[in-house]
Amino acid sequence: SQKIEQNSEALNIQEGKTATLTCNYTNYSPAYLQWYRQDPGRGPVFLLLIRENEKEKRKERLKVTFDTTLKQSLFHITASQPADSATYLCAVNSGGSNYKLTFGKGTLLTVNP
Amino acid sequence: DVKVTQSSRYLVKRTGEKVFLECVQDMDHENMFWYRQDPGLGLRLIYFSYDVKMKEKGDIPEGYSVSREKKERFSLILESASTNQTSMYLCASSPPDRGLVGAFFGQGTRLTVV
Repeated sequence: SQKIEQNSEALNIQEGKTATLTCNYTNYSPAYLQWYRQDPGRGPVFLLLIRENEKEKRKERLKVTFDTTLKQSLFHITASQPADSATYLCAVNSGGSNYKLTFGKGTLLTVNP
Repeated sequence: DVKVTQSSRYLVKRTGEKVFLECVQDMDHENMFWYRQDPGLGLRLIYFSYDVKMKEKGDIPEGYSVSREKKERFSLILESASTNQTSMYLCASSPPDRGLVGAFFGQGTRLTVV
C-alpha cells in the first residue's frame, strides 16, 4: 500500500523566512496530493491540492510543487508569520481507489518572532 | 460553509462497552471517512464510505464497524471498547469530485476507555 513520509517531525524558522516542508510517497504516483493544516486539538483544514499533471500550485503565500520523478511534493510558506505555526499534513489518494485518502504523520512548524 | 459535526467532543467509556461515535455532514457529500489520530502515528484510516450503505475497510479496521444508512450520517461503532482504542477520532467528508476541494473534517472526539 502507499506510504507517505514527511521527513521532518519538526521545523523551526524565523519570522519572514520561507518554510519548506517535504512529502514523499513510496509507490505509484497518486492522481492528486493534498496539504492540510492542523492546530492543536482541532481537525485538519484543507489548504491546497495539486494534480499529478501539475508541476506547481499557488495560493496567496502558499506554494506546492509535485515531482512525480522524485515522488515528492514540496510545500512552501513564504514570508512566514508566527500565526503559521501548526502541524502540516500531506495526503494522497491510495489503495487503487480515488476515495481512500492516506495521510503522512505531519510536520510541526514553529515560526519564531 | 461546510459543516462536519461529531456528536461528542469528549467521551469516557468503560472497557467492554459498545460505543457509538456519530458524524453528520450538511453538504450532501458522497464520501465519508473515520480516522483515529495518535501521537507519533499520525492519522490512520479506519473505514470509509463512498455511498449510502457502502463501506470499505481502511488500514486499521479491527475492533471497529461502521454504519451509513443515510447520506449525511456516518457512524463508527466500537463493538467492545478496549483501552488501546483510547484516541482522538476524526470524521471527514468529501464531495464526489474528490480531487478538487479536499476533505472537510469534524472537530474530533477524544475518547478515553478506562
